[in-house]
Amino acid sequence: ETGVTQSPTHLIKTRGQQVTLRCSSQSGHNTVSWYQQALGQGPQFIFQYYREEENGRGNFPPRFSGLQFPNYSSELNVNALELDDSALYLCASSPGTNRQYFGPGTRLLVL
Amino acid sequence: DQQVKQNSPSLSVQEGRISILNCDYTNSMFDYFLWYKKYPAEGPTFLISISSIKDKNEDGRFTVFLNKSAKHLSLHIVPSQPGDSAVYFCAASLHPNAGKSTFGDGTTLTVKP
Repeated sequence: ETGVTQSPTHLIKTRGQQVTLRCSSQSGHNTVSWYQQALGQGPQFIFQYYREEENGRGNFPPRFSGLQFPNYSSELNVNALELDDSALYLCASSPGTNRQYFGPGTRLLVL
Repeated sequence: DQQVKQNSPSLSVQEGRISILNCDYTNSMFDYFLWYKKYPAEGPTFLISISSIKDKNEDGRFTVFLNKSAKHLSLHIVPSQPGDSAVYFCAASLHPNAGKSTFGDGTTLTVKP
């Protein structure tokens, strides 16, 4: 059984650009959540997708958007990048229970 | 306003002794609490959880205690081992959806041989 994978592992963008981060859920998991972890802080909930529909959103602006595909893989899109968007982006998949399994994250640097 | 707080950024203990990591929360609606461990370059890994209907949950060397009236939980690791050295995150959610958790900022545990 493969775990949660994320791509790319690292990314450098400039302010104002757009970025797409990808996540492959663990097999059989129909729920995926995305988190932003700034340096020295804990992960902050961005949003969750359940069976391709958004199922809750944290305190993030609309320029953070997502998709979940029929195979339950997922994307996080961020438009109009700002310097403060520099962080580790984590996705976590869940089989619909009270457990979630995290990927290793994508480290985004915005210059 | 941070709803989940881990007030100790770091903790250092000797191998074989007890490690106690603390966490406070402010939102009384939280009813499910989790601890995660995170090594560098890896995502957080689930360690142990507790529902608000319990005040204690054990799993091997790890025990979580919940004091609802004080809105406080703690993770006890006995005995501590050097491999336990990692960042520990406390998280809270509205059961059963742990996927919308609110996390603390973490405590870095160092276990010295």
